[in-house]
Amino acid sequence: GAGVSQSPSNKVTEKGKDVELRCDPISGHTALYWYRQSLGQGLEFLIYFQGNSAPDKSGLPSDRFSAERTGGSVSTLTIQRTQQEDSAVYLCASSGVGGTQYFGPGTRLTVL
Amino acid sequence: AQSVTQPDIHITVSEGASLELRCNYSYGATPYLFWYVQSPGQGLQLLLKYFSGDTLVQGIKGFEAEFKRSQSSFNLRKPSVHWSDAAEYFCAVAKAGQAGTALIFGKGTTLSVSS
Repeated sequence: GAGVSQSPSNKVTEKGKDVELRCDPISGHTALYWYRQSLGQGLEFLIYFQGNSAPDKSGLPSDRFSAERTGGSVSTLTIQRTQQEDSAVYLCASSGVGGTQYFGPGTRLTVL
Repeated sequence: AQSVTQPDIHITVSEGASLELRCNYSYGATPYLFWYVQSPGQGLQLLLKYFSGDTLVQGIKGFEAEFKRSQSSFNLRKPSVHWSDAAEYFCAVAKAGQAGTALIFGKGTTLSVSS
């Protein structure tokens, strides 16, 4: 596609439920990133995939958060047992040669 | 560890006036620096980036930024602001000191434009 796409655009869930957020990167981009944007914390890096290398998970806030990237393309961010503090906008980005990151529109997650 | 400071949380400028948004970074080597803009309800759009070479970089929408190693700064400027420039602006540095790695963002500066 022309840009990074994310789905759903909005997700409302109840505390304790699991959620999955999807990211489709720009075709041909080998790197994919997840960030979280919240009022209190600003923009935080979560996880980074580069080709077939082991992902950089150093930004994941707890073991309730995980992500996978299938076939080097689509990525899913999973949050288990959601908490109210997980409410935020989750942004995905991808990059190719040159390393410039292009961001998707984000998924707004609200945990009730 | 790398960090980015944007000292101004909110700035208001008059339409047609010049703009400078401040950004200071902490990094031991030559950083990879970026400015992104986020309009309400939108994702982040890259305005410009500095990797090496000329320290004055030109970006989209008439923006420019100057890398000053001695001041650890990468300030964003625009000579004449338009009402459509009202948005939130983020300065960022590449986490591992190379392009293509995760970004460390500043807290952002909200720009309001008055008529």
